[in-house]
Amino acid sequence: QKEVEQNSGPLSVPEGAIASLNCTYSDRGSQSFFWYRQYSGKSPELIMSIYSNGDKEDGRFTAQLNKASQYVSLLIRDSQPSDSATYLCAVRGGSYIPTFGRGTSLIVHP
Amino acid sequence: EAGVTQFPSHSVIEKGQTVTLRCDPISGHDNLYWYRRVMGKEIKFLLHFVKESKQDESGMPNNRFLAERTGGTYSTLKVQPAELEDSGVYFCASSQDFGAPDYNEQFFGPGTRLTVL
Repeated sequence: QKEVEQNSGPLSVPEGAIASLNCTYSDRGSQSFFWYRQYSGKSPELIMSIYSNGDKEDGRFTAQLNKASQYVSLLIRDSQPSDSATYLCAVRGGSYIPTFGRGTSLIVHP
Repeated sequence: EAGVTQFPSHSVIEKGQTVTLRCDPISGHDNLYWYRRVMGKEIKFLLHFVKESKQDESGMPNNRFLAERTGGTYSTLKVQPAELEDSGVYFCASSQDFGAPDYNEQFFGPGTRLTVL
């Protein structure tokens, strides 16, 4: 069974710090990796996707992928209180259906 | 551009009753997905439509769940009869045709929170 593991948190960081969110997955055949942000009571919103090993940067967000270690992470630089949300890691193999982790709750305090 | 919409936002029903959830995908999106999140668990896939055809329904829990997408536009998910364990948040998502450059991005609706008493 394909599994995606995330620490549920909450991860608490001060405003302006770097928040580091981690995710491991069990299926070595996974090809696509996604990070979603979900505010309480709202829909998940895709913020980053990564498909090859290494880093991918988009504004304050950096996704890091290490397929050998089956590990994907999301770094948020200069964290803001508005970044406080649950971050969902999703992993997809050959099919078009992603497997989600339970999410990590991030709290950025002023 | 309107996003994915779902109706109702909340539904409270008694065990044994029937409930129908509706999803309107983004206009022009061929792919439509249903997911469910039970409290404390991860979002889990239920089924996938490509236009009006069921592409993958491997995640449907049992035959009490029936999904349709007549005409390839909006979709409904009916639970009949509802059981206590069906409670959760039901999300719908849509994405473009697989040939489109952004087909990987699934846009989620706000979800329907279903409570079965």
